[in-house]
Amino acid sequence: DAGVIQSPRHEVTEMGQEVTLRCKPISGHDYLFWYRQTMMRGLELLIYFNNNVPIDDSGMPEDRFSAKMPNASFSTLKIQPSEPRDSAVYFCASSYSGTGAGTQYFGPGTRLLVL
Amino acid sequence: AQSVTQPDIHITVSEGASLELRCNYSYGATPYLFWYVQSPGQGLQLLLKYFSGDTLVQGIKGFEAEFKRSQSSFNLRKPSVHWSDAAEYFCAVGNTGGFKTIFGAGTRLFVKA
Repeated sequence: DAGVIQSPRHEVTEMGQEVTLRCKPISGHDYLFWYRQTMMRGLELLIYFNNNVPIDDSGMPEDRFSAKMPNASFSTLKIQPSEPRDSAVYFCASSYSGTGAGTQYFGPGTRLLVL
Repeated sequence: AQSVTQPDIHITVSEGASLELRCNYSYGATPYLFWYVQSPGQGLQLLLKYFSGDTLVQGIKGFEAEFKRSQSSFNLRKPSVHWSDAAEYFCAVGNTGGFKTIFGAGTRLFVKA
C-alpha cells in the first residue's frame, strides 16, 4: 500500500489567499484525521471523520477553516482566507476500526507558509 | 477530557545507554495509550500501544512501555539506544475505542556518540 498521500508537500501563499490541502487515506480505512503541528502549540487534532462523516470538529480554529470528505478515498482541508498564523505543518492520518485501538497512519505532511 | 503531559522537552543520552521517556495522562475512563515517533520532516509512526491486558507492552525497534494506572503513567523505555533513535517522541491518549487521540508536546531525543 502506498500509505497516506498528501498534496501538496509544500505550499507558499500570500495572506488572504485560499489554500486547499488534500489527503488520500489508506484504502479500506474508515477514519480520517486532520492535524496541525506548530512549535508553539504542538500537534493539534483539527477534525476527524468516520465513514466520511465529520465526527468532531471542535479543534477547527475558526470559520476560516473547513474540511470535507466527499468519498472514502479523498479529503480536503481548506483555509479561506489564509493568515500568517496558519503557517504550520498539516498532517492527515487514517485508521481502520477493524483492528481496534485506533492505530493511526500518518501522511508526510504539508508544510504551509503564509506570507 | 483527555490530556497528556510529557515533562521533558528534550533528552540527551549516549549511544548504548538506556532510555526512559516519561508520560503522564489524564482520562476519566480506561485509556488507550500510544507512543509515536517522528523523524525530521516525516509523519508520525506508531511505536506501540496499550488498551488492555499485560501492562508491559512491546513495540517496534526494541521499545517497550509500562502502563501504571496508580501513577497515570505510560513511560517509554529502551535498554540500549542507537544513533538512529534520535527523533521526537510523542505520547498520546485516545478516548474509548482509541480514535479521538490527544498528543503530548513531544520529547526530542538526542543521541551522542
